[in-house]
Amino acid sequence: DSGVTQTPKHLITATGQRVTLRCSPRSGDLSVYWYQQSLDQGLQFLIQYYNGEERAKGNILERFSAQQFPDLHSELNLSSLELGDSALYFCASSVATWVGETQYFGPGTRLLVL
Amino acid sequence: GDSVTQMEGPVTLSEEAFLTINCTYTATGYPSLFWYVQYPGEGLQLLLKATKADDKGSNKGFEATYRKETTSFHLEKGSVQVSDSAVYFCALILLGGGSNYKLTFGKGTLLTVNP
Repeated sequence: DSGVTQTPKHLITATGQRVTLRCSPRSGDLSVYWYQQSLDQGLQFLIQYYNGEERAKGNILERFSAQQFPDLHSELNLSSLELGDSALYFCASSVATWVGETQYFGPGTRLLVL
Repeated sequence: GDSVTQMEGPVTLSEEAFLTINCTYTATGYPSLFWYVQYPGEGLQLLLKATKADDKGSNKGFEATYRKETTSFHLEKGSVQVSDSAVYFCALILLGGGSNYKLTFGKGTLLTVNP
C-alpha cells in the first residue's frame, strides 16, 4: 500500500459525458501527478500540481482539467468523453516539487467509455 | 523529440535465470533515468534511478547503469524469482526552463518468471 488513494476504482460512462477522478496523496506529500495508461499510447504524464498550483503539463488534452485543493487532494476532470479516453488513470504523489523525487502511485481508476 | 525505447516483450524466463531488459533513450538535454515496476493490478513503483552519467542505480537485486556514450540504461538482475513477474518501465525526466520538465516513459516490458 503506497498511501495514495484513488476513487472510484472503476468507472463506466458514455461518450460525451463528464467524469471526475479523485486522488488523495500520502500524508505530507505536496506534489500530485496524474498519468494515463492505455494500450495504444502507453503510459503518459498528464499534469503535476504542487501545493495547489499547477507545476508542469504533459500530454493533457484541453477537454481534461485538474486541480489541487487546500487539503492537497486532487481531482482530474474529463469532459466530452470519447471512446479513446478509456484507460487506466493513475495519481502519484511526492514530497517535493522535483519530479525526480520518488513518486508513490495509487492503484488507479479504470475508466471505460462506451 | 525525447523518447525512450525498450525491448519488446514479453520476456519469459525460468527462475534463477539472468535478466536484461534493454532501454535506450533520445533526449535533447541531460536527463535523469528511472526504472519503474508495475505488479499485476497495482500502480507503478520506483525500482531504481540514476541522475548522472556512470551512476548505477540498484534495488532488490536489480541494477542499471547510466551510459551517456551509448544513451542506455539497461536493467539487469542476476537471478530472477517468480515474484519478479511484472511490467517494467524505463523512463526519463528532462528539466526544461524554469520548473518545467518532460517525463517520458517507454512502452513497458512484461516479464514472466516460471518456477
